Amino acid sequence: GAVVSQHPSWVICKSGTSVKIECRSLDFQATTMFWYRQFPKQSLMLMATSNEGSKATYEQGVEKDKFLINHASLTLSTLTVTSAHPEDSSFYICSGAAGGDGYTFGSGTRLTVV
Amino acid sequence: QKEVEQDPGPLSVPEGAIVSLNCTYSNSAFQYFMWYRQYSRKGPELLMYTYSSGNKEDGRFTAQVDKSSKYISLFIRDSQPSDSATYLCAMTGSSYKLIFGSGTRLLVRP
Repeated sequence: GAVVSQHPSWVICKSGTSVKIECRSLDFQATTMFWYRQFPKQSLMLMATSNEGSKATYEQGVEKDKFLINHASLTLSTLTVTSAHPEDSSFYICSGAAGGDGYTFGSGTRLTVV
Repeated sequence: QKEVEQDPGPLSVPEGAIVSLNCTYSNSAFQYFMWYRQYSRKGPELLMYTYSSGNKEDGRFTAQVDKSSKYISLFIRDSQPSDSATYLCAMTGSSYKLIFGSGTRLLVRP
C-alpha cells in the first residue's frame, strides 16, 4: 500500500529555535499533503493543506508565519516550526491522498520544546 | 454540534468478542468514509475506506455506511489484545479535507 515516510520521529529543541519536519510519499505522488497536530488523548486537528508548487492553505487560528509549509515536489512536503515555544510541543502528523487507497498518514513527529 | 460525533470510550471487551464502533455525522455532503487505528505515539493506520453507502469486509473488519441515517460502523470480529488502540472515524466530501471523530479507545482484555 501507499507509504508516507515522516522524519524525525521525535525531536527536542530549545525555545526560540526552528525545527523542520519532512514527509515523503514513497510509492505515490501526493499532489496534496495535509498537516495535523494532535494533543494527548485528542483527535487530529488539521493545520494546513499544501499543494505541490503553490502556497499552503492554513486553517483558521493557525499562524502561517510560525508554521511554514513547503511542498516543492510531488513526493516531499516539509513543515518548519519557527521560533518554537513550549506551547508548540505536540505530535505533528502529515497525510497524503493516495487516490483510491484513501489518505495515508506518516508515523508522526513528537516535538518537545524546552 | 460537532460535524462528526464519536464516543470516546474507553471500551473494554474480552478477547474474542465482537467489537462495534460507531460514528454519526451531520454533513450530508460526506461521501468517503474511513476508519483508522492509532497506537499510542504513532500515526493513524488506515483500516477501511468506503465510498457512499454499503458494507465492506476485510478479514476480521467490516465497515458499514448508512448515509440515510448518517451513521457509520466498524465491526471487529474475534478481537485480539493487539487490537487495543484508538479507533478514529474520518470522512470527507468534495473538499477532500478529512473530518475526524474524536476517537474511541478500545481495550481487549486477554
